[in-house]
Amino acid sequence: DQQVKQNSPSLSVQEGRISILNCDYTNSMFDYFLWYKKYPAEGPTFLISISSIKDKNEDGRFTVFLNKSAKHLSLHIVPSQPGDSAVYFCAASGNSGGSNYKLTFGKGTLLTVNP
Amino acid sequence: DSGVTQTPKHLITATGQRVTLRCSPRSGDLSVYWYQQSLDQGLQFLIQYYNGEERAKGNILERFSAQQFPDLHSELNLSSLELGDSALYFCASSVAPGQGQFFGPGTRLTVL
Repeated sequence: DQQVKQNSPSLSVQEGRISILNCDYTNSMFDYFLWYKKYPAEGPTFLISISSIKDKNEDGRFTVFLNKSAKHLSLHIVPSQPGDSAVYFCAASGNSGGSNYKLTFGKGTLLTVNP
Repeated sequence: DSGVTQTPKHLITATGQRVTLRCSPRSGDLSVYWYQQSLDQGLQFLIQYYNGEERAKGNILERFSAQQFPDLHSELNLSSLELGDSALYFCASSVAPGQGQFFGPGTRLTVL
């Protein structure tokens, strides 16, 4: 039972354009959502997060949008840069059945930004 | 550099053996989480400790155990190793449950 889904395994974008990475979740108990970026042979790096009481959070070139009714969130990167090329993981946490605050990850989307 | 350290970086061992992975959280972080990343399963939560106490368990096998010591470092013990245990094992830490977690570089375990 995959509670966090990233349906696009890969995305290719031109440098300078917008990258939009999507994520869907099924567990309505999730109340905190995060995006991580991962390069090969390194640990995931925290990018940006959003609480379920908000619908948007912005940090520089990165913006996360949350649509609770649709159980959908997206990460926008504007403008995209070649250094953004990595695997992006969507993650969610919440107090669900006693498993407090563990992160449930999607399977990731490989973003390639072409010069 | 996330501030979370993990040792060793690589570990190669044989089936049936026992290994210990070590994690030191960021200074001031009380929560430690362990995750397993295998090729087909993505990042899977194993177990969480908060200030020395087990807080949550995920998909952790009975052959695996962990603990968090008074100095807040944590160890993940994997025993009776099987080929399928080959994976990247990540440790993460946060100040308190619910906040963003910061990941270490991981330990790559290869079971031959």
